[in-house]
Amino acid sequence: EDKVVQSPLSLVVHEGDTVTLNCSYEVTNFRSLLWYKQEKKAPTFLFMLTSSGIEKKSGRLSSILDKKELFSILNITATQTGDSAIYLCAGYNAGNMLTFGGGTRLMVKP
Amino acid sequence: DVKVTQSSRYLVKRTGEKVFLECVQDMDHENMFWYRQDPGLGLRLIYFSYDVKMKEKGDIPEGYSVSREKKERFSLILESASTNQTSMYLCASSLGGGAGGNTIYFGEGSWLTVV
Repeated sequence: EDKVVQSPLSLVVHEGDTVTLNCSYEVTNFRSLLWYKQEKKAPTFLFMLTSSGIEKKSGRLSSILDKKELFSILNITATQTGDSAIYLCAGYNAGNMLTFGGGTRLMVKP
Repeated sequence: DVKVTQSSRYLVKRTGEKVFLECVQDMDHENMFWYRQDPGLGLRLIYFSYDVKMKEKGDIPEGYSVSREKKERFSLILESASTNQTSMYLCASSLGGGAGGNTIYFGEGSWLTVV
């Protein structure tokens, strides 16, 4: 059974701080690792990572995958209150199935 | 834009009632999914369907059933709602075979409270 574990469960920081969110996975026939941001409604897609060691970047967010150690991190620099959300990572297998982690709830205080 | 529409956003039902959650997608996707989301547990897969009239159990199918009579519509059914089914339910759809993860689209969620 595929398994994805995220840490920490929740995090409170102040604006301007840098945060690192962790995601470890055990996914049979692994295809890719995905990160989503969820505010009040449905998750919105952030990154898809398929190759080890290649950083993906979008503004202040970046993510990298380590396929040897089976984990990924999501970094957010210079955090803003609008970054407050639940961040979900998910492992995607060759059967087109996603297994989600429990999420990290990030709160950014002004 | 792809759209996944969940018709009921907020529902309050009594224990023992039958509950239907409807989901419609407009992009001719083969795969459709029902998840529930609970604090600290992330999204857990209830059922999925990869074609009309086809369904597969996910990780937590107990107490639920599904129906896919048409390609665009995937319904989640709670035959006899219980309080532990109070949750947010998310429907999703994706292209079939070989598609990457960024082609998975979610509906806005249905918040169900069972009293």
